[in-house]
Amino acid sequence: DIQMTQSPSTLSASVGDRVTITCRASQSISSWLAWYQQKPGKAPKLLIYKASSLESGVPSRFSGSGSGTEFTLTISSLQPDDFATYYCQQYNNYPVTFGQGTKLEIK
Amino acid sequence: EVQLVESGGGLVKPGGSLRLSCAASGFTFSSYSMNWVRQAPGKGLEWVSSISGTLGYINYPDSLKGRFIISRDNAKNSLYLQMNSLRAEDTAVYFCARDQASGGTGWPFDYWGQGTLVTVSS
Repeated sequence: DIQMTQSPSTLSASVGDRVTITCRASQSISSWLAWYQQKPGKAPKLLIYKASSLESGVPSRFSGSGSGTEFTLTISSLQPDDFATYYCQQYNNYPVTFGQGTKLEIK
Repeated sequence: EVQLVESGGGLVKPGGSLRLSCAASGFTFSSYSMNWVRQAPGKGLEWVSSISGTLGYINYPDSLKGRFIISRDNAKNSLYLQMNSLRAEDTAVYFCARDQASGGTGWPFDYWGQGTLVTVSS
């Protein structure tokens, strides 16, 4: 199974900050990586797919990059609505696996 | 509008069984692979199973093979998860989710239901 490791596990930031979350795969997954945002009590929301493609309706302050085994999610200017938990997911092969999550907190 | 609505969760004793359902609307259900993902209380996301639209391709993680069975009824626009020999560690919110692209398998999940809580406890 492909292991997905996110860092950091928790990130404290302020509105307007630029933040980056990293996701590493235990083996190459090409660009078959997605990022999700989840708020408490809600379903995850797809933000980025194929490592860098923005899902329809997602604000352009979200961007993704990387390929192979190292990927990043960047939020260019944090908004109050962005404080949530973020997960990466590889869909290169089964079993589909998720990172452990990064909780983005208000500083 | 795409909608996915799960049902069937509840309290079940260890060793018991439960069948979850997911009613889909707003898209051509048979064209999309569908998935179950679970989330234990306070924990991360765990993929449970996937089933293709019409060809019957099914996948599970090794940890759940033999206990969980995914199925679908395209005539009823419904997805199911039969869970047997339930354990305390199966306690979680179970989400159904649609593959982003029609045809084939192995896409990210673009629409999710609200989830249904399964609690395994004596």
